[in-house]
Amino acid sequence: DVKVTQSSRYLVKRTGEKVFLECVQDMDHENMFWYRQDPGLGLRLIYFSYDVKMKEKGDIPEGYSVSREKKERFSLILESASTNQTSMYLCASSEGTAYGYTFGSGTRLTVV
Amino acid sequence: QKEVEQNSGPLSVPEGAIASLNCTYSDRVSQSFFWYRQYSGKSPELIMSIYSNGDKEDGRFTAQLNKASQYVSLLIRDSQPSDSATYLCAVAGYSTLTFGKGTMLLVSP
Repeated sequence: DVKVTQSSRYLVKRTGEKVFLECVQDMDHENMFWYRQDPGLGLRLIYFSYDVKMKEKGDIPEGYSVSREKKERFSLILESASTNQTSMYLCASSEGTAYGYTFGSGTRLTVV
Repeated sequence: QKEVEQNSGPLSVPEGAIASLNCTYSDRVSQSFFWYRQYSGKSPELIMSIYSNGDKEDGRFTAQLNKASQYVSLLIRDSQPSDSATYLCAVAGYSTLTFGKGTMLLVSP
């Protein structure tokens, strides 16, 4: 089975901190994604990557950046955390949209 | 803007009944469709995929697709309390999936 591992299950950070969320997949997938999920708003795409060092903005990239230096690892960076970035962050991996995604277990981030 | 619409629910059914979850989508060229189950506080889990018009059965789950009507549904037979979760419909685009906001299903014993 594809495994997508997110480094932290719960995280509490202070406003203004730089925050790194890490995601690693073990199935050599080209495509990786970062979403945030909020009640009533559903899943919203932040960034995705279809190859090493390649990235594409999703629907809500403001306040975020990403890094993909190795195929298996896709990092989400909150440049200066704000309280409105408190959310569940979900990483996903895929070999193509025809196959769907496999999600990591999620990181619940609270910014205080 | 591609859209995927689902009734937010909750849909309440008694144990043993058939639960019917529905989804409509706006992108006519979509070819791949998925149902994810998400328990409270957990991440989404892929339970069904469907690519052709008609029905696809897997155990107690049946996915139905009608591309002409741009409609996807999920039937859960013999519903169990453990089926209580939010079900997300997802439609494949060129690079990403577009997700509906989900329907909450509550199965009462």
